[in-house]
Amino acid sequence: TQLLEQSPQFLSIQEGENLTVYCNSSSVFSSLQWYRQEPGEGPVLLVTVVTGGEVKKLKRLTFQFGDARKDSSLHITAAQPGDTGLYLCAGGGVAGGTSYGKLTFGQGTILTVHP
Amino acid sequence: DAGITQSPRHKVTETGTPVTLRCHQTENHRYMYWYRQDPGHGLRLIHYSYGVKDTDKGEVSDGYSVSRSKTEDFLLTLESATSSQTSVYFCAISERQGLNYGYTFGSGTRLTVV
Repeated sequence: TQLLEQSPQFLSIQEGENLTVYCNSSSVFSSLQWYRQEPGEGPVLLVTVVTGGEVKKLKRLTFQFGDARKDSSLHITAAQPGDTGLYLCAGGGVAGGTSYGKLTFGQGTILTVHP
Repeated sequence: DAGITQSPRHKVTETGTPVTLRCHQTENHRYMYWYRQDPGHGLRLIHYSYGVKDTDKGEVSDGYSVSRSKTEDFLLTLESATSSQTSVYFCAISERQGLNYGYTFGSGTRLTVV
């Protein structure tokens, strides 16, 4: 079983602060995705990274895929209350395997940004 | 607006009864998945489908069965519901397997087994 460990599990910060969420595994993934989920709704895809060392930016969010494709990070600059939610990382496909698009999810990071 | 709906949104059922959850998509995507979400466990794959009548088990498939008789519908059945199956169930669709295709999720079904 491929495991993805996210840290921290809970994060409570003030508006304007920066934060980083980590997603680590002992397995190599073909791709790594980040989702954001609000209460009562399903997760929504934020980004997919596929190349070791890849960095993608989405406004104030910066996503990085580790060189060895075993880990990833999500950095938020100047957090806002609207960033509050559950952030999930998900690994896609063992390198070289047939996965039918199955994703393995981390347990999530609950972020609360206080005004 | 994403073209995927789950029904019902909420259900309370008694232990030992069968329950069927429905996932309906209008995107004509080939791949469909059922996950359950529990605190501290993230999302865990129950079953998935890679085409009509083509399904396979995920990591937590015991006590669940699925059927996909047409592209747009993927049904999840709890054959005899137990309290451990109290959870939020999410259906997801994907256009194709590969590296750059993410999931679109439904809004979930909250199931309580009493």
